[in-house]
Amino acid sequence: GAVVSQHPSRVICKSGTSVKIECRSLDFQATTMFWYRQFPKQSLMLMATSNEGSKATYEQGVEKDKFLINHASLTLSTLTVTSAHPEDSSFYICSALAGQGYSPLHFGNGTRLTVT
Amino acid sequence: LAKTTQPISMDSYEGQEVNITCSHNNIATNDYITWYQQFPSQGPRFIIQGYKTKVTNEVASLFIPADRKSSTLSLPRVSLSDTAVYYCLVGPNTGTASKLTFGTGTRLQVTL
Repeated sequence: GAVVSQHPSRVICKSGTSVKIECRSLDFQATTMFWYRQFPKQSLMLMATSNEGSKATYEQGVEKDKFLINHASLTLSTLTVTSAHPEDSSFYICSALAGQGYSPLHFGNGTRLTVT
Repeated sequence: LAKTTQPISMDSYEGQEVNITCSHNNIATNDYITWYQQFPSQGPRFIIQGYKTKVTNEVASLFIPADRKSSTLSLPRVSLSDTAVYYCLVGPNTGTASKLTFGTGTRLQVTL
């Protein structure tokens, strides 16, 4: 149980375009989902926290107008990278928290974004 | 939020037991200790979680001393497939886990 599916696994886009990444909790309802970014050989950095039905909370230094997060249901959160630039190329990972008592974070398998 | 410190890297031979220690000196009373494993180009995978003393599951053991200021992940008889980065996270075991911060992690390299 506790499977988090992330799609797509890889995406290549041109500068200036927007890319949407989906994160779904397949067998549980995720009251809270998190988005991370990871550069090569580095650790995961939390970008934002999204709660179903409310606005996301962004970490300091993360542009909310560039990284749009929508958590429209208890099983789906989306991250849209708007007007992507090559420096946005990274590995984006989502995780979900069931919020029902004991619950470690469950992570998706990540999305490798390459902006050309 | 408790900051964690782990060795940057470790090397081991296949078949050996590997112990990775994490320091978390300012752990709070309601904080749990969770370990994750990450392979290249994949999301982290939950390994084990504990609050105190010892926890064991089918893949690892977690040892936590009485003062909880450190913890040790023990991997018995590692294989090549255990080569990965291991992260120790410390935070509350509630819905406010949003601020779980990933440290540098420990890059484990297992060789023949």
